[in-house]
Amino acid sequence: IAGITQAPTSQILAAGRRMTLRCTQDMRHNAMYWYRQDLGLGLRLIHYSNTAGTTGKGEVPDGYSVSRANTDDFPLTLASAVPSQTSVYFCASRGQDTGELFFGEGSRLTVL
Amino acid sequence: SQQGEEDPQALSIQEGENATMNCSYKTSINNLQWYRQNSGRGLVHLILIRSNEREKHSGRLRVTLDTSKKSSSLLITASRAADTASYFCARQTGANSKLTFGKGITLSVRP
Repeated sequence: IAGITQAPTSQILAAGRRMTLRCTQDMRHNAMYWYRQDLGLGLRLIHYSNTAGTTGKGEVPDGYSVSRANTDDFPLTLASAVPSQTSVYFCASRGQDTGELFFGEGSRLTVL
Repeated sequence: SQQGEEDPQALSIQEGENATMNCSYKTSINNLQWYRQNSGRGLVHLILIRSNEREKHSGRLRVTLDTSKKSSSLLITASRAADTASYFCARQTGANSKLTFGKGITLSVRP
C-alpha cells in the first residue's frame, strides 16, 4: 500500500542521547515535512524539503536536523535529546497535483 | 507562530445532528484544507478549497470559504459516532508554500 512509513512507532530515550526518526514514502512526492504535535499547540513544522538535495527550517527547528539524500527518505535527527522534545512526530509528503499532505502514523518520542 | 484560530475548541453532539467547525486566518491564502485525525493516528486529508472557490462538497462534508472575512467552515451533516475525531484546518499561502495548521477541534459524536 502506497504511503508514508515512519519508524520507530514509539521510543523512550535518555536525555543527551542521539536519535533518528525514519520516514520513507513510495509516492515519489518531491516535498516532505516533519511536524511535531503537542497537546494544546497543534502541529508545528520542524523542517521541510521541497525536493531531494534541499532542506529548509520550519517554525521550531532548534535541536533537530534533517537530510534528503533521495526522494524517498527524509530522516529527522535529534543530536542530543532534551525532555522538551518529548512529543509525537509526524512525517508528511505533499501530492504534486493536489497539494494535499499525506501523513505517516507518527512516532511517539519520550525523552527522560 | 500559528496564524488563525479554530472554534470551537471542542464540540459534543448527538448522532444524526450536524457539526459545524470554524477556522479563521490572518493573511491571504492560496488554499485552505481540512484534515481529520483519529486518536493515536496520523492526519488524513478531507477536502481542499482554493481561494477562488466559495463552497465545496464531499459526501457529508461541506466546506465554505469567505476570503473577505478570512474564514472557513466545515459542516458535517448527519453525524455518526465514527466521525468522532480531531479536525484541523490548514492554510497554504502560496502554491508551493508550507501548510500552517491550527490547533484543532475535538469533535465527539454521542451514539
